[in-house]
Amino acid sequence: AQKITQTQPGMFVQEKEAVTLDCTYDTSDPSYGLFWYKQPSSGEMIFLIYQGSYDQQNATEGRYSLNFQKARKSANLVISASQLGDSAMYFCAMSYNTDKLIFGTGTRLQVFP
Amino acid sequence: DVKVTQSSRYLVKRTGEKVFLECVQDMDHENMFWYRQDPGLGLRLIYFSYDVKMKEKGDIPEGYSVSREKKERFSLILESASTNQTSMYLCASSSAAGRDQPQHFGDGTRLSIL
Repeated sequence: AQKITQTQPGMFVQEKEAVTLDCTYDTSDPSYGLFWYKQPSSGEMIFLIYQGSYDQQNATEGRYSLNFQKARKSANLVISASQLGDSAMYFCAMSYNTDKLIFGTGTRLQVFP
Repeated sequence: DVKVTQSSRYLVKRTGEKVFLECVQDMDHENMFWYRQDPGLGLRLIYFSYDVKMKEKGDIPEGYSVSREKKERFSLILESASTNQTSMYLCASSSAAGRDQPQHFGDGTRLSIL
């Protein structure tokens, strides 16, 4: 069965520092996709970044990068140069043999000055 | 930009009532989804639809039904609301073009059942 695990309920980071949010997954499907979403306190889910299982290079989108280690089944999100506006819940999600996603339980990131 | 609109941000209903949550998307997406979000549990899929009049159960469909009469609209129905259905409900849509297509979410509806 497919599973997403986020082991960090909460993380703190100082402004301008980098932070890594952990995500591990489990699937027997050779073709899958990994997504990260941000959910500010206002509630909307914002798509950040995508990594396909066959992608050779780690995905990057601005200050976001995805550290994809296929053999370890991990897909950690790295946020560089943290900003106060990065404070939010972050969810890792996986798509597998359909267009459905399964989500992890999330990590609450707090950025302090 | 993709726009997914949920009819209410906040909703308060009483136990036993029939509750309708509406969701509309403007990107001609084939797929639409309803999730509920509870603290510590992440997002759990209630129902999804990959075409008009088509629906499939997700992980927690009990107590819910859905309707998709038009491509842009996907409704979630609580047949007889109960207090354990108090939650945040999120609607999403995505293109069926490939597994790399992200789901786009509405702002969510915070539903309280009294």
